[in-house]
Amino acid sequence: DSGVTQTPKHLITATGQRVTLRCSPRSGDLSVYWYQQSLDQGLQFLIQYYNGEERAKGNILERFSAQQFPDLHSELNLSSLELGDSALYFCASSVSGRVSGELFFGEGSRLTVL
Amino acid sequence: AQSVTQLGSHVSVSEGALVLLRCNYSSSVPPYLFWYVQYPNQGLQLLLKYTSAATLVKGINGFEAEFKKSETSFHLTKPSAHMSDAAEYFCAVRAEGGGNQFYFGTGTSLTVIP
Repeated sequence: DSGVTQTPKHLITATGQRVTLRCSPRSGDLSVYWYQQSLDQGLQFLIQYYNGEERAKGNILERFSAQQFPDLHSELNLSSLELGDSALYFCASSVSGRVSGELFFGEGSRLTVL
Repeated sequence: AQSVTQLGSHVSVSEGALVLLRCNYSSSVPPYLFWYVQYPNQGLQLLLKYTSAATLVKGINGFEAEFKKSETSFHLTKPSAHMSDAAEYFCAVRAEGGGNQFYFGTGTSLTVIP
């Protein structure tokens, strides 16, 4: 158990819909990262938050947005869903202030868009 | 900027044979290097990490990796493969500067043949 909690574990929805994925980082971790993993694209970095503020952006689509709340949990919002958005979405957190610190990953949220 | 290249997207070994998964990195500053393992339908789990304390790093499940600066490599090895080692393996690099981001390789799928 990494200590990172993601909900829901599975989600099936239709094209055009909007979903929200939730992540609770490990206790004490201020940084939260979101990744998308699909068969054809591998592990893609989407976005990072640190203590409520956006720290870095990766290959995140404009239809996607995220935020980190004062209690440090984070949500990834995916809208106008397309078939190609079907993927595993991972949240990870890391020890703050240490570049040598590793990422701790959640179990992921598997999104299926029909 | 940092990057990671994993040579071989698929590797097959016989049970009991040596496992060698290759990772080469690029970094203009001293890197921190990580190997993660992902079992089917699970999140990524840290196998081991290099943080400059020792060039030979031992991890979980009998895996180890050696940091070779002259070759910019951090290959993962295990003397004797077990069926339970079948999984996806990811190499990652992180360094100071550039937002302290993690850069993941494209992954290597390990198959263990009985």
